[in-house]
Amino acid sequence: QKEVEQNSGPLSVPEGAIASLNCTYSDRGSQSFFWYRQYSGKSPELIMSIYSNGDKEDGRFTAQLNKASQYVSLLIRDSQPSDSATYLCAALITDKLIFGTGTRLQVFP
Amino acid sequence: NAGVTQTPKFQVLKTGQSMTLQCAQDMNHNSMYWYRQDPGMGLRLIYYSASEGTTDKGEVPNGYNVSRLNKREFSLRLESAAPSQTSVYFCASTEGGKLFFGSGTQLSVL
Repeated sequence: QKEVEQNSGPLSVPEGAIASLNCTYSDRGSQSFFWYRQYSGKSPELIMSIYSNGDKEDGRFTAQLNKASQYVSLLIRDSQPSDSATYLCAALITDKLIFGTGTRLQVFP
Repeated sequence: NAGVTQTPKFQVLKTGQSMTLQCAQDMNHNSMYWYRQDPGMGLRLIYYSASEGTTDKGEVPNGYNVSRLNKREFSLRLESAAPSQTSVYFCASTEGGKLFFGSGTQLSVL
């Protein structure tokens, strides 16, 4: 079992809709969680970090963390075709940053 | 600032050949990582270095060695390349979990 798990998708949503991406992790000791976006052929880039239970909002992005259930989610409101990418969830486990397999998001006009 | 510089960008090797991937960062970060990325597998951690002078195995260390030459540089060596090591390799540096990635090395082992 991978330490960080994601549904590989693709997740297809229409333009303007809310995209919901989910991630679970196995190590209860993990304290820090991150969402990275990766466009095809490019390096990943950080879009959100979250450390406490609850929601954290940044523009159209909201990260949610539930440590009791060991899941992290990312909501993208008003999805745009430019949001089409692979979204990688990562957890800081001791001093290692471990990634899930990524979820491919497709936003169609 | 250059950020994280990774070389080469592309490399083709024959089975059994050796090579070293170079990585340097100019952000004074303590931690540096090497990942590989294969289709459908996400980023898998090969080795990491939490500070100058220390290195530790990640999820998939077999067939690789690393050297943390100084605070700036962290190299990855393939001693005897195998086709299973065909992948895209990313170096990254971090403070507190925000990773700064190099542009990647596309490696093919024939």
